[in-house]
Amino acid sequence: NAGVTQTPKFRVLKTGQSMTLLCAQDMNHEYMYWYRQDPGMGLRLIHYSVGEGTTAKGEVPDGYNVSRLKKQNFLLGLESAAPSQTSVYFCASSQRLSGTANYGYTFGSGTRLTVV
Amino acid sequence: AQKITQTQPGMFVQEKEAVTLDCTYDTSDPSYGLFWYKQPSSGEMIFLIYQGSYDQQNATEGRYSLNFQKARKSANLVISASQLGDSAMYFCAMREDNTGNQFYFGTGTSLTVIP
Repeated sequence: NAGVTQTPKFRVLKTGQSMTLLCAQDMNHEYMYWYRQDPGMGLRLIHYSVGEGTTAKGEVPDGYNVSRLKKQNFLLGLESAAPSQTSVYFCASSQRLSGTANYGYTFGSGTRLTVV
Repeated sequence: AQKITQTQPGMFVQEKEAVTLDCTYDTSDPSYGLFWYKQPSSGEMIFLIYQGSYDQQNATEGRYSLNFQKARKSANLVISASQLGDSAMYFCAMREDNTGNQFYFGTGTSLTVIP
């Protein structure tokens, strides 16, 4: 059982280049999320999706786009990379929220992106 | 206002001793969940423990326990009998059940266990 798989694990981009990060989950989870982690700032939500074909903005969406064409995949795109987007990116998924059940996140292993 | 506040950027604890990592939260949603995650130097996020807002008893998972004080809006993580492998970043997180589907994370506490 792979859980949540992120590709690639590392990437170096030049300013202005574009790229797509792929997140794939095999747990049939409804919800998927993209976070970025920066030193001293914890994890901040970029975009999220509550189901196939739906996406929504999180706390720091500027400069990113997402798509969820298939339930198991959630793509994060950078159209024109900037040095401020140097960060570690985490994908996560969870079951549909219901009451106070322990529906925590399952995280991917992260993507370390450097924009020079 | 910050949803999750972790005021201890770094903590040290002697091996085999207990340590408490602080977390306070802010919500007006009566139904919510509180989580702690561990992030070792390898980078992955590991779920440790969960506390629901309606749970009457403090959650425990092995050497981890969550000291839940609802009136004070605090959810401190207690690690008993610290081990060298406990050295890591620890994140407190909250999920509001009625106002969205996202988690809010604190800025983390770096724990170092000293032999």
